[in-house]
Amino acid sequence: KAGVTQTPRYLIKTRGQQVTLSCSPISGHRSVSWYQQTPGQGLQFLFEYFSETQRNKGNFPGRFSGRQFSNSRSEMNVSTLELGDSALYLCASSWGTPQGNEQFFGPGTRLTVL
Amino acid sequence: GENVEQHPSTLSVQEGDSAVIKCTYSDSASNYFPWYKQELGKRPQLIIDIRSNVGEKKDQRIAVTLNKTAKHFSLHITETQPEDSAVYFCAANWLDGGADGLTFGKGTHLIIQP
Repeated sequence: KAGVTQTPRYLIKTRGQQVTLSCSPISGHRSVSWYQQTPGQGLQFLFEYFSETQRNKGNFPGRFSGRQFSNSRSEMNVSTLELGDSALYLCASSWGTPQGNEQFFGPGTRLTVL
Repeated sequence: GENVEQHPSTLSVQEGDSAVIKCTYSDSASNYFPWYKQELGKRPQLIIDIRSNVGEKKDQRIAVTLNKTAKHFSLHITETQPEDSAVYFCAANWLDGGADGLTFGKGTHLIIQP
């Protein structure tokens, strides 16, 4: 079974631009969660989508948004990029049920904002 | 919201010795506690998890214990090997409604000395 994939793997943007990251979950998984990883703040939860609906959201500004498609693939968007948005963005997929909520991570997208 | 504290931030042990990493959580509603291992430049990998209806779980050299009353859980690695060197993250989640947003600890850098 193929694992979680993310594209692109690396991105360089400048302040003020916007960016869209993509995540394809493990086949059959309906939940996709997004995390931001930085050396200072560690792993922080952004939001979770299940069956095209946002079920849960972390404490990030509205510049961070996401969506999920009918095939469970998910995208996240960051608008008006700031230097502090430089991070590794990880997505994780799971079945999304209490009995099947083990999350499996993708390789991440390394975003650098200049 | 949930808050997870993890200690120590760095742990150096001799090869063959045991390593223990401890985490505390704040939300008594949390009922799922996974542990992830992240090697340099790689994605976090789920190594073991425990649910609140269980006090201990073992998988070969790795074990996790949970004390719901004290709201803390620990990772135990016995007979450590060089390939155990990595950053380990604990996390907590609540499963009511199936929401999948994990709250992570800041991580423990485990160093296995030869």
